[in-house]
Amino acid sequence: NAGVTQTPKFQVLKTGQSMTLQCAQDMNHNSMYWYRQDPGMGLRLIYYSASEGTTDKGEVPNGYNVSRLNKREFSLRLESAAPSQTSVYFCASSALFTNYGYTFGSGTRLTVV
Amino acid sequence: EDKVVQSPLSLVVHEGDTVTLNCSYEVTNFRSLLWYKQEKKAPTFLFMLTSSGIEKKSGRLSSILDKKELSSILNITATQTGDSAIYLCAVPGGSNYKLTFGKGTLLTVNP
Repeated sequence: NAGVTQTPKFQVLKTGQSMTLQCAQDMNHNSMYWYRQDPGMGLRLIYYSASEGTTDKGEVPNGYNVSRLNKREFSLRLESAAPSQTSVYFCASSALFTNYGYTFGSGTRLTVV
Repeated sequence: EDKVVQSPLSLVVHEGDTVTLNCSYEVTNFRSLLWYKQEKKAPTFLFMLTSSGIEKKSGRLSSILDKKELSSILNITATQTGDSAIYLCAVPGGSNYKLTFGKGTLLTVNP
């Protein structure tokens, strides 16, 4: 089925470890996004990529880096994980200049101990 | 900076009740307002509203936008336990359509 695929679904890291969350979409969307969701905080934008070759910071970018590898793939990297990065991470994509909203991946539950 | 405020943040009702969820926004260059439902996993799209006063309806759910008041409401009639979820309101802003979300309303429907 067409959609947004995120891996892994669950991950436990020790403080200071690094990891990359992968996201791929097969809907030919131009724009891709990484959000984190914490209890009572809604969804907060970490980074986004309006189109292939561009990335921009969102509301909470500190401690993260991203790579728009090609039109399909947008990865999120934690270089040195901290307990404050324990969260559920969602990748999403959308067509540019559309009001149709996003298609979300199923999420990655990350725990940093 | 774009801003979305939802109220209440949580709500507990009994099956059969009618609920109204609120969303207010501040955004430059308003285009639309979106409602999502989030159960266990990813948010799923409910409605997109662009014009004031025009109700969007899907079964027992309906929503309306008031551009003068910079707000929207989501109504759910005859609630069921399956309506238990977080309801998120979002507005796209800027030139890249990145969505700004509210904190959500956690709705719990008890049998």
